[in-house]
Amino acid sequence: GGIITQTPKFLIGQEGQKLTLKCQQNFNHDTMYWYRQDSGKGLRLIYYSITENDLQKGDLSEGYDASREKKSSFSLTVTSAQKNEMAVFLCASSILGGSSQNTLYFGAGTRLSVL
Amino acid sequence: GEQVEQLPSILRVQEGSSASINCSYEDSASNYFPWYKQEPGENPKLIIDIRSNMERKQIQELIVLLDKKAKRFSLHITDTQPGDSAMYFCAASGPYNQGKLIFGQGTKLSIKP
Repeated sequence: GGIITQTPKFLIGQEGQKLTLKCQQNFNHDTMYWYRQDSGKGLRLIYYSITENDLQKGDLSEGYDASREKKSSFSLTVTSAQKNEMAVFLCASSILGGSSQNTLYFGAGTRLSVL
Repeated sequence: GEQVEQLPSILRVQEGSSASINCSYEDSASNYFPWYKQEPGENPKLIIDIRSNMERKQIQELIVLLDKKAKRFSLHITDTQPGDSAMYFCAASGPYNQGKLIFGQGTKLSIKP
């Protein structure tokens, strides 16, 4: 079986700081995703990528950038951290792009706190 | 775009009884409805899913029902056990959105011993 590795596990930033979260998968999946998890709001899609160098905006893309450097890695950048922001960022991958019935495999998450 | 509403947000049931979580969606073209379970400190994992050509699916103690006319689907956990305590997320997707899953808000299920 494969694994999705997110780094770092915990990230503490300062207001206005640019912060980068990294994700690696060894499933050889085509599609990768970044979701944000907030209490009471479920999982909201920030960016996704259906293949290397592809980038698609989700519903929550404002304030974020993403980069699919290679098939196995997908990074997310918080362009300017907001004071008192706290959230969990979940990376996921799935086998095929463009199909509506794929299982998502999630990483363990990066927990962000902004002071 | 598609919206998925999930209720309740918090659910507490006695061990051994049943738990039910309900979701509704807006886009009638949605054709895939998975359920993910997230245990404390863990990542979400797929536990069961249903496609639009089915009305009912069961895997052991998990039952999902789909009512396409009402645009509702639900998860029922029969004979709940302490290990069922977790966050549960429903989701929907369809050909309109390139396979993106739209998640509900989540239900925190607690099983009382």
